Amino acid sequence: GENVEQHPSTLSVQEGDSAVIKCTYSDSASNYFPWYKQELGKRPQLIIDIRSNVGEKKDQRIAVTLNKTAKHFSLHITETQPEDSAVYFCAATTDSGGGADGLTFGKGTHLIIQP
Amino acid sequence: DGGITQSPKYLFRKEGQNVTLSCEQNLNHDAMYWYRQDPGQGLRLIYYSQIVNDFQKGDIAEGYSVSREKKESFPLTVTSAQKNPTAFYLCASSTPGRGTRETQYFGPGTRLLVL
Repeated sequence: GENVEQHPSTLSVQEGDSAVIKCTYSDSASNYFPWYKQELGKRPQLIIDIRSNVGEKKDQRIAVTLNKTAKHFSLHITETQPEDSAVYFCAATTDSGGGADGLTFGKGTHLIIQP
Repeated sequence: DGGITQSPKYLFRKEGQNVTLSCEQNLNHDAMYWYRQDPGQGLRLIYYSQIVNDFQKGDIAEGYSVSREKKESFPLTVTSAQKNPTAFYLCASSTPGRGTRETQYFGPGTRLLVL
């Protein structure tokens, strides 16, 4: 089955700086890679996703890059703000054609924005 | 994701007792999923269902059971065979339509505690 590794487990950055979180996956058949943000005690919220037919996607201060050859993908947050503090999860799955399989998640990165 | 509801918010289980967690969605989503989250960990897939009257085991199905009699509902039963049930349980559903099946949105979660 799929295995997703996520690094670092904790990331502390100064407000206004950029943050980068990296994930690797093992199953070359995986074709969908979402990123979720989870605040303490709350549900995960989808913040951005990317499919295997593109290499990069941006949404305001957030971007995701995908390298299919190396089987890794990264989340980039620019101009970080205090409200960006949360746990971020990467995930991977395969759309098998008959519907979406479940997501395989990384273990999460606790992002801390220092004022 | 406001159309996905889970109940109860907190649930207490006694030794040897089966308990059922409710998940309902009014988003007309075909696929539904159950995940388990342990403190400081990522989410792990328990069961998923891509269509009514059909479901598949995820990575950690032992000690759990599900049913999918209606499109809107996907209840999860934690049986007495699950020896370490204390966790945060999250239900998700995914959008219909070509190319978007994989996008999953989460309910608010149920926190299960063993007495």
